[in-house]
Amino acid sequence: QKEVEQNSGPLSVPEGAIASLNCTYSDRGSQSFFWYRQYSGKSPELIMSIYSNGDKEDGRFTAQLNKASQYVSLLIRDSQPSDSATYLCAVNSYSGNTPLVFGKGTRLSVIA
Amino acid sequence: DAGITQSPRHKVTETGTPVTLRCHQTENHRYMYWYRQDPGHGLRLIHYSYGVKDTDKGEVSDGYSVSRSKTEDFLLTLESATSSQTSVYFCAISWENEKLFFGSGTQLSVL
Repeated sequence: QKEVEQNSGPLSVPEGAIASLNCTYSDRGSQSFFWYRQYSGKSPELIMSIYSNGDKEDGRFTAQLNKASQYVSLLIRDSQPSDSATYLCAVNSYSGNTPLVFGKGTRLSVIA
Repeated sequence: DAGITQSPRHKVTETGTPVTLRCHQTENHRYMYWYRQDPGHGLRLIHYSYGVKDTDKGEVSDGYSVSRSKTEDFLLTLESATSSQTSVYFCAISWENEKLFFGSGTQLSVL
């Protein structure tokens, strides 16, 4: 059973701080990794993808991947109240047509 | 929403009745998925499709069936709805079984 684990939160950070969201996965053969953001009552939307070890930056978001430790994280710099949402980690192992495996998500609350 | 439409957006039905949810895409993506989302459980895959008439079960497929007779349409049927199937249902599409794009969701209540 391939698993993706996230702390459910809530993770509360003050406005302007760095929010750090973490995800671990069980399948060592996993090849690609995604972060989705889901606002309350809305559908998930893709915000970051990462395929290689190291950091990938996109605006205020940085995804970090460490395949040896089976760990992927999302950093949100200068957190804003509008970043308050649930963040879902998803992992793809490229095993035939097997779909992505999603974590249950971490709820982030940015306090103004 | 990436050319993906779910219908209906809301539905209330009674226990024991069949229900069909529709997902329609205009993106010509090969992969289509049905998820349900419940508090404490996250997104759970019901069924998915990797081509016309090619479907497979997900982790919570009992009580659900799907059909895909055209690239653009993926139907989810609850054969005999139960209260445990009250949930928010999301359809998603993907070109290469990687980056998923989600529809707006269907809120289903089974009374």
